[in-house]
Amino acid sequence: GAVVSQHPSWVICKSGTSVKIECRSLDFQATTMFWYRQFPKQSLMLMATSNEGSKATYEQGVEKDKFLINHASLTLSTLTVTSAHPEDSSFYICSSGDTYEQYFGPGTRLTVT
Amino acid sequence: GENVEQHPSTLSVQEGDSAVIKCTYSDSASNYFPWYKQELGKRPQLIIDIRSNVGEKKDQRIAVTLNKTAKHFSLHITETQPEDSAVYFCAASKSNMLTFGGGTRLMVKP
Repeated sequence: GAVVSQHPSWVICKSGTSVKIECRSLDFQATTMFWYRQFPKQSLMLMATSNEGSKATYEQGVEKDKFLINHASLTLSTLTVTSAHPEDSSFYICSSGDTYEQYFGPGTRLTVT
Repeated sequence: GENVEQHPSTLSVQEGDSAVIKCTYSDSASNYFPWYKQELGKRPQLIIDIRSNVGEKKDQRIAVTLNKTAKHFSLHITETQPEDSAVYFCAASKSNMLTFGGGTRLMVKP
């Protein structure tokens, strides 16, 4: 199947700093990338949908100025958590695919101290 | 938007017994229903899926049923093994967008 890579796999940052997470489709063109957040013992919640060459669509309650998404090419989408706070600590996962299959990145564990 | 409810949230079974997890969805336009197994700190792993034009699908010990009229779908695992212990998520998809259920923590006791 298709492969989505994600970097970094884990990151620890200080409160108030920004962190960038990269998601790459390695063997297919990802016109759309979905970004999810998963808190401990909870489900995956869709944060935003990024489309190559256009603005991302954010789910209700997700601050677009805090979670900056860029999808400048068909193989790369990035999520930047700006001015991170401890409550942003979570597992962030991206996915892309087609109607009948989504390929997930391995996830990024973000810890904000 | 779509809303997916999943029950039970935890399920403990004896090795060899069957496990059933149920989900309901709200949007009749959803047309694809995957089930994922997720181990701690890992990405969700697709274990079985069903499309809206099919009522049942089986793959060895795992089966999924779909009732479009009632907007219900269920995962059935037979002859459970300790390695089946994990968190399972159902999802409903429309236009590539997945909405996940709340998850079920399955524990298989040896």
